[in-house]
Amino acid sequence: QKEVEQNSGPLSVPEGAIASLNCTYSDRGSQSFFWYRQYSGKSPELIMFIYSNGDKEDGRFTAQLNKASQYVSLLIRDSQPSDSATYLCAVNDQKTSYDKVIFGPGTSLSVIP
Amino acid sequence: EPEVTQTPSHQVTQMGQEVILRCVPISNHLYFYWYRQILGQKVEFLVSFYNNEISEKSEIFDDQFSVERPDGSNFTLKIRSTKLEDSAMYFCASRRTIFETGELFFGEGSRLTVL
Repeated sequence: QKEVEQNSGPLSVPEGAIASLNCTYSDRGSQSFFWYRQYSGKSPELIMFIYSNGDKEDGRFTAQLNKASQYVSLLIRDSQPSDSATYLCAVNDQKTSYDKVIFGPGTSLSVIP
Repeated sequence: EPEVTQTPSHQVTQMGQEVILRCVPISNHLYFYWYRQILGQKVEFLVSFYNNEISEKSEIFDDQFSVERPDGSNFTLKIRSTKLEDSAMYFCASRRTIFETGELFFGEGSRLTVL
Protein backbone atom coordinates (compact mmCIF):
# COMPACT_ATOMS: atom_id res chain seq x y z
CA GLN A 1 0.00 0.00 0.00
CA LYS A 2 1.43 3.34 -1.08
CA GLU A 3 1.88 5.69 1.86
CA VAL A 4 2.18 9.08 0.18
CA GLU A 5 0.54 9.62 -3.18
CA GLN A 6 0.79 12.44 -5.67
CA ASN A 7 -0.27 12.87 -9.28
CA SER A 8 2.91 12.45 -11.27
CA GLY A 9 1.89 15.06 -13.84
CA PRO A 10 3.18 16.80 -15.75
CA LEU A 11 0.97 19.64 -14.67
CA SER A 12 1.13 22.55 -17.07
CA VAL A 13 -0.09 26.04 -16.19
CA PRO A 14 0.33 29.37 -17.97
CA GLU A 15 2.51 32.03 -16.40
CA GLY A 16 0.56 34.06 -13.83
CA ALA A 17 -1.96 31.31 -13.14
CA ILE A 18 -2.49 29.36 -9.92
CA ALA A 19 -0.89 25.93 -9.77
CA SER A 20 -2.59 23.42 -7.47
CA LEU A 21 -0.67 20.38 -6.27
CA ASN A 22 -2.25 17.61 -4.25
CA CYS A 23 -1.05 14.89 -1.92
CA THR A 24 -2.79 12.17 0.05
CA TYR A 25 -1.33 10.00 2.77
CA SER A 26 -2.38 6.74 4.33
CA ASP A 27 -1.32 7.07 7.96
CA ARG A 28 -4.08 8.89 9.83
CA GLY A 29 -1.76 9.62 12.73
CA SER A 30 0.74 11.61 10.66
CA GLN A 31 1.50 14.97 12.23
CA SER A 32 3.95 16.94 10.08
CA PHE A 33 3.80 17.63 6.38
CA PHE A 34 6.37 19.12 4.06
CA TRP A 35 6.43 20.48 0.54
CA TYR A 36 9.75 20.47 -1.25
CA ARG A 37 10.73 21.76 -4.65
CA GLN A 38 13.33 19.80 -6.59
CA TYR A 39 14.97 21.01 -9.76
CA SER A 40 16.48 18.37 -12.01
CA GLY A 41 19.75 17.10 -10.58
CA LYS A 42 19.42 19.16 -7.40
CA SER A 43 18.48 18.43 -3.80
CA PRO A 44 14.99 18.93 -2.33
CA GLU A 45 14.47 22.51 -1.18
CA LEU A 46 11.98 23.04 1.64
CA ILE A 47 9.28 25.54 0.66
CA MET A 48 6.46 24.86 3.12
CA PHE A 49 5.97 23.02 6.38
CA ILE A 50 2.57 22.56 8.02
CA TYR A 51 1.27 20.63 11.01
CA SER A 52 -2.06 22.26 11.89
CA ASN A 53 -5.32 21.87 10.01
CA GLY A 54 -6.12 24.78 7.75
CA ASP A 55 -4.07 27.08 5.58
CA LYS A 56 -0.55 28.37 5.91
CA GLU A 57 0.64 31.11 3.61
CA ASP A 58 4.17 32.17 2.75
CA GLY A 59 4.49 34.64 -0.09
CA ARG A 60 3.06 33.09 -3.26
CA PHE A 61 2.73 29.68 -1.61
CA THR A 62 -0.20 28.38 0.44
CA ALA A 63 -0.26 24.95 2.03
CA GLN A 64 -3.61 23.48 3.01
CA LEU A 65 -3.97 20.59 5.43
CA ASN A 66 -7.06 18.49 6.11
CA LYS A 67 -6.17 15.69 8.49
CA ALA A 68 -9.69 14.24 8.49
CA SER A 69 -9.44 13.72 4.72
CA GLN A 70 -5.71 12.84 4.91
CA TYR A 71 -5.03 15.45 2.30
CA VAL A 72 -2.47 18.20 1.94
CA SER A 73 -2.17 20.60 -0.97
CA LEU A 74 0.08 23.36 -2.22
CA LEU A 75 -1.14 26.37 -4.16
CA ILE A 76 1.31 28.51 -6.07
CA ARG A 77 -0.13 31.88 -7.02
CA ASP A 78 1.18 33.99 -9.90
CA SER A 79 3.16 31.03 -11.23
CA GLN A 80 6.51 31.87 -12.83
CA PRO A 81 8.60 29.87 -15.31
CA SER A 82 11.18 29.52 -12.53
CA ASP A 83 8.58 27.53 -10.56
CA SER A 84 8.93 24.75 -13.14
CA ALA A 85 10.24 21.82 -11.08
CA THR A 86 9.14 18.65 -9.38
CA TYR A 87 7.19 19.21 -6.16
CA LEU A 88 7.61 16.61 -3.46
CA CYS A 89 5.14 16.00 -0.66
CA ALA A 90 6.65 14.45 2.46
CA VAL A 91 4.98 13.14 5.59
CA ASN A 92 6.24 12.30 9.05
CA ASP A 93 5.58 8.55 9.23
CA GLN A 94 3.70 8.01 12.46
CA LYS A 95 3.47 4.24 12.13
CA THR A 96 7.00 3.71 13.28
CA SER A 97 7.86 6.90 15.07
CA TYR A 98 8.19 10.57 14.44
CA ASP A 99 11.68 9.95 13.26
CA LYS A 100 11.02 9.03 9.67
CA VAL A 101 9.88 11.38 6.93
CA ILE A 102 8.73 9.65 3.75
CA PHE A 103 8.26 11.14 0.34
CA GLY A 104 5.70 10.87 -2.38
CA PRO A 105 6.79 10.33 -5.98
CA GLY A 106 6.49 14.04 -6.83
CA THR A 107 4.45 16.08 -9.28
CA SER A 108 6.20 17.69 -12.23
CA LEU A 109 5.06 21.27 -12.80
CA SER A 110 5.67 23.18 -16.01
CA VAL A 111 4.87 26.90 -16.13
CA ILE A 112 4.46 28.03 -19.70
CA PRO A 113 5.55 31.63 -20.49
CA GLU B 1 21.92 30.91 6.61
CA PRO B 2 23.01 27.60 8.14
CA GLU B 3 23.09 24.70 5.71
CA VAL B 4 23.81 21.01 5.48
CA THR B 5 27.03 20.36 3.58
CA GLN B 6 28.01 17.13 1.85
CA THR B 7 31.21 15.79 0.35
CA PRO B 8 32.13 14.62 -2.20
CA SER B 9 29.66 16.05 -4.69
CA HIS B 10 30.40 13.21 -7.09
CA GLN B 11 32.24 9.94 -6.59
CA VAL B 12 32.98 7.27 -9.14
CA THR B 13 33.98 3.86 -7.83
CA GLN B 14 34.44 0.31 -8.97
CA MET B 15 31.97 -2.37 -7.97
CA GLY B 16 33.02 -4.01 -4.72
CA GLN B 17 34.87 -0.97 -3.38
CA GLU B 18 34.06 0.77 -0.12
CA VAL B 19 32.67 4.29 -0.23
CA ILE B 20 32.27 6.85 2.54
CA LEU B 21 29.98 9.82 2.05
CA ARG B 22 30.32 12.71 4.46
CA CYS B 23 27.89 15.24 5.80
CA VAL B 24 28.07 18.18 8.18
CA PRO B 25 24.57 18.81 9.53
CA ILE B 26 23.33 22.19 10.71
CA SER B 27 25.08 22.90 13.99
CA ASN B 28 22.16 22.98 16.45
CA HIS B 29 20.37 20.03 14.85
CA LEU B 30 20.10 16.74 16.70
CA TYR B 31 18.45 14.38 14.22
CA PHE B 32 20.26 13.22 11.12
CA TYR B 33 19.14 11.29 8.06
CA TRP B 34 20.34 9.71 4.87
CA TYR B 35 18.13 9.43 1.83
CA ARG B 36 18.86 8.20 -1.65
CA GLN B 37 17.35 8.95 -5.03
CA ILE B 38 17.98 6.71 -7.99
CA LEU B 39 17.82 8.68 -11.24
CA GLY B 40 14.20 9.33 -12.21
CA GLN B 41 12.81 7.78 -9.05
CA LYS B 42 11.46 9.00 -5.71
CA VAL B 43 13.45 10.10 -2.69
CA GLU B 44 13.83 7.03 -0.46
CA PHE B 45 14.46 7.00 3.27
CA LEU B 46 17.55 5.01 4.32
CA VAL B 47 18.23 5.72 7.97
CA SER B 48 17.73 8.16 10.82
CA PHE B 49 20.21 8.76 13.63
CA TYR B 50 19.91 10.38 17.02
CA ASN B 51 22.06 10.42 20.12
CA ASN B 52 24.74 8.33 18.42
CA GLU B 53 22.35 5.55 17.55
CA ILE B 54 20.28 4.49 14.59
CA SER B 55 16.64 5.20 15.42
CA GLU B 56 15.00 4.00 12.21
CA LYS B 57 16.20 2.22 9.10
CA SER B 58 14.54 1.03 5.93
CA GLU B 59 14.79 -2.35 4.25
CA ILE B 60 17.26 -0.79 1.82
CA PHE B 61 19.68 -0.18 4.67
CA ASP B 62 21.15 -3.68 4.87
CA ASP B 63 24.44 -4.93 6.31
CA GLN B 64 26.39 -3.26 3.52
CA PHE B 65 25.47 0.14 4.93
CA SER B 66 26.57 1.79 8.13
CA VAL B 67 26.42 5.26 9.61
CA GLU B 68 28.62 6.99 12.11
CA ARG B 69 29.08 10.30 13.82
CA PRO B 70 32.83 10.13 14.44
CA ASP B 71 33.09 13.60 15.99
CA GLY B 72 30.83 16.47 16.98
CA SER B 73 30.21 17.67 13.45
CA ASN B 74 30.49 14.95 10.80
CA PHE B 75 27.88 12.32 9.94
CA THR B 76 29.00 9.61 7.53
CA LEU B 77 27.40 6.92 5.40
CA LYS B 78 29.59 3.95 4.51
CA ILE B 79 28.81 1.43 1.83
CA ARG B 80 31.09 -1.54 2.39
CA SER B 81 31.06 -3.28 -0.97
CA THR B 82 29.34 -1.23 -3.63
CA LYS B 83 27.03 -2.75 -6.21
CA LEU B 84 25.92 -1.34 -9.54
CA GLU B 85 22.47 -0.71 -8.09
CA ASP B 86 23.95 1.56 -5.42
CA SER B 87 24.45 4.19 -8.11
CA ALA B 88 22.26 7.08 -6.97
CA MET B 89 22.21 10.52 -5.43
CA TYR B 90 22.62 10.32 -1.67
CA PHE B 91 21.18 13.14 0.41
CA CYS B 92 21.97 13.95 4.01
CA ALA B 93 19.33 15.84 5.99
CA SER B 94 19.00 17.18 9.50
CA ARG B 95 16.41 18.70 11.79
CA ARG B 96 16.50 20.36 15.17
CA THR B 97 13.57 18.39 16.60
CA ILE B 98 11.38 15.50 15.48
CA PHE B 99 8.30 17.14 16.89
CA GLU B 100 5.84 19.28 15.07
CA THR B 101 8.09 22.26 14.51
CA GLY B 102 11.00 20.25 13.12
CA GLU B 103 11.68 21.36 9.58
CA LEU B 104 13.88 18.92 7.65
CA PHE B 105 16.71 20.44 5.62
CA PHE B 106 18.70 18.68 2.92
CA GLY B 107 22.25 18.97 1.72
CA GLU B 108 23.19 19.30 -1.94
CA GLY B 109 23.76 15.59 -2.33
CA SER B 110 26.57 13.22 -3.26
CA ARG B 111 26.24 11.50 -6.60
CA LEU B 112 27.63 7.97 -6.48
CA THR B 113 28.42 6.18 -9.71
CA VAL B 114 29.38 2.51 -9.44
CA LEU B 115 31.08 1.02 -12.50
